[in-house]
Amino acid sequence: KNEVEQSPQNLTAQEGEFITINCSYSVGISALHWLQQHPGGGIVSLFMLSSGKKKHGRLIATINIQEKHSSLHITASHPRDSAVYICATRSQGNLIFGKGTKLSVKP
Amino acid sequence: DGGITQSPKYLFRKEGQNVTLSCEQNLNHDAMYWYRQDPGQGLRLIYYSQIVNDFQKGDIAEGYSVSREKKESFPLTVTSAQKNPTAFYLCASSSSGTGSKYGYTFGSGTRLTVV
Repeated sequence: KNEVEQSPQNLTAQEGEFITINCSYSVGISALHWLQQHPGGGIVSLFMLSSGKKKHGRLIATINIQEKHSSLHITASHPRDSAVYICATRSQGNLIFGKGTKLSVKP
Repeated sequence: DGGITQSPKYLFRKEGQNVTLSCEQNLNHDAMYWYRQDPGQGLRLIYYSQIVNDFQKGDIAEGYSVSREKKESFPLTVTSAQKNPTAFYLCASSSSGTGSKYGYTFGSGTRLTVV
């Protein structure tokens, strides 16, 4: 069974800092998703990766298939980035979710 | 714009009552999913459906039921048999097929409180 581990669980940063959230998984996957959940609860899909690196605005996601590891980076962090970031892996059709990283960016 | 609509956002029910959560999508996605989220835990799969009139149990299906009579709709009923129904419920959809090119769209969730 695939285990998805995220670190850190909680992260507090000052506005402008560079942020990294990590995700490790235990079995081969077809894709990895990074999701953002705001306090209201709705989830937005940020990235879907199967290899390499993707960038969208200030967000960068990377994946190393051999090491079974992915990172989500936020450059020039802003208080509006405060949210829970969730890593989810896809294998055999369904998603397995990490427990999430709660990010708080202080002005 | 296409998306997923979950209603209501907040729901309160008395213990022992069945309650149905609505999920509608206009993305023309074949697959739909229901997840449950509890504090400090990852989302867990309750039921999923890859095609109309067919659905499969997920990891925590006991005490729940679903139907998929239309492609756009995948309602979830929380029955009185569910021992701990208070939770946040999320619906999602995706294009059919396996492989890495298929993304997911999530709804805004329903927070169910049983008193």
